Amino acid sequence: NAGVTQTPKFQVLKTGQSMTLQCAQDMNHEYMSWYRQDPGMGLRLIHYSVGAGITDQGEVPNGYNVSRSTTEDFPLRLLSAAPSQTSVYFCASRGGTSGHNEQFFGPGTRLTVL
Amino acid sequence: DQQVKQNSPSLSVQEGRISILNCDYTNSMFDYFLWYKKYPAEGPTFLISISSIKDKNEDGRFTVFLNKSAKHLSLHIVPSQPGDSAVYFCAASGRHGSSNTGKLIFGQGTTLQVKP
Repeated sequence: NAGVTQTPKFQVLKTGQSMTLQCAQDMNHEYMSWYRQDPGMGLRLIHYSVGAGITDQGEVPNGYNVSRSTTEDFPLRLLSAAPSQTSVYFCASRGGTSGHNEQFFGPGTRLTVL
Repeated sequence: DQQVKQNSPSLSVQEGRISILNCDYTNSMFDYFLWYKKYPAEGPTFLISISSIKDKNEDGRFTVFLNKSAKHLSLHIVPSQPGDSAVYFCAASGRHGSSNTGKLIFGQGTTLQVKP
């Protein structure tokens, strides 16, 4: 099991560019989510999905789009990057048998928007 | 409005001593509380959790205490080891059907340094 994988590890964008952060998991987890981590802010939920075809907004969804066409993949799209989106992005997943809603996290993507 | 708060950005302890990391929350509807550990350039890893119906959960050197009346939880690490040096996040989650179903609400994190 590779667990939760994220690509790329690092990315530099110019303001206004678009890109997609990839996330995949091989644990057959129904629940997947995207967080961003900023200094002094902890991890904040961007979007989440409870299964293929179902997505919903988290705490900080503006500027991001998601889709969930398969159980395995949950890409995060930045349509027009802004410097405020400079952050470290983590994807996570959770199985139906998790007792306390614990989630497994990927290694992260460090994004810089100039 | 920060529902989960870790008011100490950093903590330094000597190897072998106890580390106590604290966390406060405001939403009495949270059902589960979790601690994650994060090393630089890695994703957070799950450490230990507790249900709101318990007041203590222990796993090896790690113990989490929950005081519901004070809306406070703490993570005790005994004895502390240099490899424990990392950022620790507390998180809270709600029961199925609540507005926080399945979501993790994180605190800001506390950086623990264990000195040899």
